[in-house]
Amino acid sequence: QPVLTQSSSASASLGSSVKLTCTLDSEHINYIVAWHQQQPGKAPRYLVKVEGNGLYKRGSGIPDRFSGSRSGADRYLIISNLQSEDEADYYCESWESYAVFGGGTKLTVL
Amino acid sequence: QEQLVESGGGVVQSGGSLRLSCATSGFTFTTHGFQWVRQAPGKGLEWVASIRHDGNNQWYAESLRGRFTISRDKSTQTLYLDMSSLKTEDTGIYYCAKKPPAGPTDYWGQGTLVSVSS
Repeated sequence: QPVLTQSSSASASLGSSVKLTCTLDSEHINYIVAWHQQQPGKAPRYLVKVEGNGLYKRGSGIPDRFSGSRSGADRYLIISNLQSEDEADYYCESWESYAVFGGGTKLTVL
Repeated sequence: QEQLVESGGGVVQSGGSLRLSCATSGFTFTTHGFQWVRQAPGKGLEWVASIRHDGNNQWYAESLRGRFTISRDKSTQTLYLDMSSLKTEDTGIYYCAKKPPAGPTDYWGQGTLVSVSS
């Protein structure tokens, strides 16, 4: 099973862009990674998946402010034009037989 | 419109049992796998158990040591999690989530709270 590593926190200013990172372990660097957002007190919501070739696809109804990219074992979630409602926890996910989650990144919008 | 609605959570004493249910609608039940993911207070997401789209395989987190059983009923389009020998560390919100065979988790329920008291 893949192992996913995320920074515990990140911050960026309202209206700016931020890039969150999820790093796959060396044995699984080409795996697909998905990103989920969890706003305070709410259930998680699927945002986007990033393929091993760097292509990304947003989930249904997800604004185009959310995008993804890849560099080596790193999978990125890029949020542009940050809004106050983007302040949330962000989790990455990958899988083989079952899902594995990263520890989550708490994003603060300044 | 896709829907996953969990129920069955509550307060239970240590050593007790609970059955969680997840009623599904708005998509083809038999073409999707499902999983239970929990979140302890103030902590991150922890995968608990998964079941394949055809129900033929189940997987469990090692820490559960056979105390939990995931199942599905295609006649009622419902997912279940039977939990026994509950411990205080099992306390948290339990989410039902939908996962297509070759893709990531793409829909979450609203969660049900399980509280295990000592």
